[in-house]
Amino acid sequence: AQKVTQAQTEISVVEKEDVTLDCVYETRDTTYYLFWYKQPPSGELVFLIRRNSFDEQNEISGRYSWNFQKSTSSFNFTITASQVVDSAVYFCALSIRGSARQLTFGSGTQLTVLP
Amino acid sequence: GAVVSQHPSRVICKSGTSVKIECRSLDFQATTMFWYRQFPKQSLMLMATSNEGSKATYEQGVEKDKFLINHASLTLSTLTVTSAHPEDSSFYICSARDDRGRVEQYFGPGTRLTVT
Repeated sequence: AQKVTQAQTEISVVEKEDVTLDCVYETRDTTYYLFWYKQPPSGELVFLIRRNSFDEQNEISGRYSWNFQKSTSSFNFTITASQVVDSAVYFCALSIRGSARQLTFGSGTQLTVLP
Repeated sequence: GAVVSQHPSRVICKSGTSVKIECRSLDFQATTMFWYRQFPKQSLMLMATSNEGSKATYEQGVEKDKFLINHASLTLSTLTVTSAHPEDSSFYICSARDDRGRVEQYFGPGTRLTVT
């Protein structure tokens, strides 16, 4: 069975601070995919990134960066110079090959960026 | 880009009535769609996997007779909440997987159901 743990339930930062959201996953499969989604108050899930298990390269996209480390089964997400618009719930998710590639979601981290 | 729509976005119904929620993939075909439920301040929980032309696969603890899923075409899946009760009030989200083999699921905007 797959499991995704987001230990941080809520994080509050002041605008322009950097913030890292943690994600730890468990799976016995050697081929899997990791995702981050943003859910603003409107409720619609916004896809941020996908990583496959064979690609441990870290990625940067503007103010967003992701650190994938298989050795610690972690896929952490950092927002640099946070903005009020970054306030949302962020979900980390995992899918494996087969089983229709169902997504297993973490419990989410509520990020609040204060002005 | 891949777009998934859901209708209605919000619905209020009385206890005991049935409500149908539609999920459509607008610019791709989706043999497989997924239905999730999300209670306030909680994560998304997979309810069922919807397969075009065959019966849906329900997750443990989800009543198949209460949450009827029909995936009649490659672009449409419907979820009917039958004999709704206040505890069924939730945010229902569908997603669809592109048949062209892409890994990502594309999510609909969600339907907020309130049962009074």
